[in-house]
Amino acid sequence: EAGVTQFPSHSVIEKGQTVTLRCDPISGHDNLYWYRRVMGKEIKFLLHFVKESKQDESGMPNNRFLAERTGGTYSTLKVQPAELEDSGVYFCASSQGTPLANYGYTFGSGTRLTVV
Amino acid sequence: KNEVEQSPQNLTAQEGEFITINCSYSVGISALHWLQQHPGGGIVSLFMLSSGKKKHGRLIATINIQEKHSSLHITASHPRDSAVYICAVSGLTFGEGTQLTVNP
Repeated sequence: EAGVTQFPSHSVIEKGQTVTLRCDPISGHDNLYWYRRVMGKEIKFLLHFVKESKQDESGMPNNRFLAERTGGTYSTLKVQPAELEDSGVYFCASSQGTPLANYGYTFGSGTRLTVV
Repeated sequence: KNEVEQSPQNLTAQEGEFITINCSYSVGISALHWLQQHPGGGIVSLFMLSSGKKKHGRLIATINIQEKHSSLHITASHPRDSAVYICAVSGLTFGEGTQLTVNP
């Protein structure tokens, strides 16, 4: 079974530009999560999709971040315009169901975003 | 103060030593995960716990729901165990991680 795939693996962009990160969950996993780890800090939850619906987006930092999951398959996370503090590693994870207590989840390798 | 606290932050051990990493949390819990992140690599989920104890190879994870505490133990540690170990509560709140270095 293919794992959770994220791309690009690395992205370097200038402040003010737009970047779109993509996550392909494990096939059949309805639940998709986005997380971010800023240098030196703990991983922070961004949002949770159940199929194409946003179940919980309480962790989204501001309206420069837009996540979509059209069709309930892959998801994109767009940052527009990017700021220096957006630099970090963005992780995606997917799970077959909820609650996580019953299902657990699988992480992707992450996208390292550097805003210069 | 973080809602999920890990200790120690850094740990250096000699190959073969028994290692314990601790996680205390103050938030509500449905499940606690122990994750492993290698340098430059992705994150691997090691354990998911909602009660008791789990064992996988040389790794053992325990959780005490009443005390809001979990531990990850590594027996007979090996240099390939060197990584960051992260405690995550209910998929929402993460500890800062423990950097483990096992020297040969």
